[in-house]
Amino acid sequence: AQTVTQSQPEMSVQEAETVTLSCTYDTSENNYYLFWYKQPPSRQMILVIRQEAYKQQNATENRFSVNFQKAAKSFSLKISDSQLGDTAMYFCAFMVSGDSNYQLIWGAGTKLIIKP
Amino acid sequence: ETGVTQTPRHLVMGMTNKKSLKCEQHLGHNAMYWYKQSAKKPLELMFVYNFKEQTENNSVPSRFSPECPNSSHLFLHLHTLQPEDSALYLCASSQDLLSGLTYSYNEQFFGPGTRLTVL
Repeated sequence: AQTVTQSQPEMSVQEAETVTLSCTYDTSENNYYLFWYKQPPSRQMILVIRQEAYKQQNATENRFSVNFQKAAKSFSLKISDSQLGDTAMYFCAFMVSGDSNYQLIWGAGTKLIIKP
Repeated sequence: ETGVTQTPRHLVMGMTNKKSLKCEQHLGHNAMYWYKQSAKKPLELMFVYNFKEQTENNSVPSRFSPECPNSSHLFLHLHTLQPEDSALYLCASSQDLLSGLTYSYNEQFFGPGTRLTVL
């Protein structure tokens, strides 16, 4: 069975700093996707970034980038130049490629607080 | 309305009540999902509907009953709930791709959720 672990229940940093959220996963599959979702206080879950396991290049989206270490089964999220609007719960999630039910396996989340 | 909407946003009910949660997606998707989100726990997938047919039921108690009358609407009917059912219930939708594609992927778009409290 696949599992996703986020070892940091809560983190806080000053505005403009860089912060890294960790995520590890366990699977015997070779083809899969990894995601980071953001859930602000408004509760709307929003996709931040995704990574295809077959791609060696780390995904980036503006200030958000990932460090994907397939052998170590690690998928951390780096937020550069953090902003107050980045305050949210961040969830790491995993999906087996070709899963006809598109079932996402979720971590328990990391609460990120950006302080002014 | 755009995206995925859910009503009501908040619901308080007694254990003997019957209520329904509604989800509507305006994205032209053909797959919809119900998730349960409890504090400090991973999201739990409850139900999946692809092309209006239920394809997943992760051992959800029968006091939760889904209904998907068309590809745009999804309901979760609630009856005789327990206090431990109090949680945030999230709806999501996606465009289901043909199975068999090696690297098939579809993004799930979420609604804002219904905060349910069972007294």
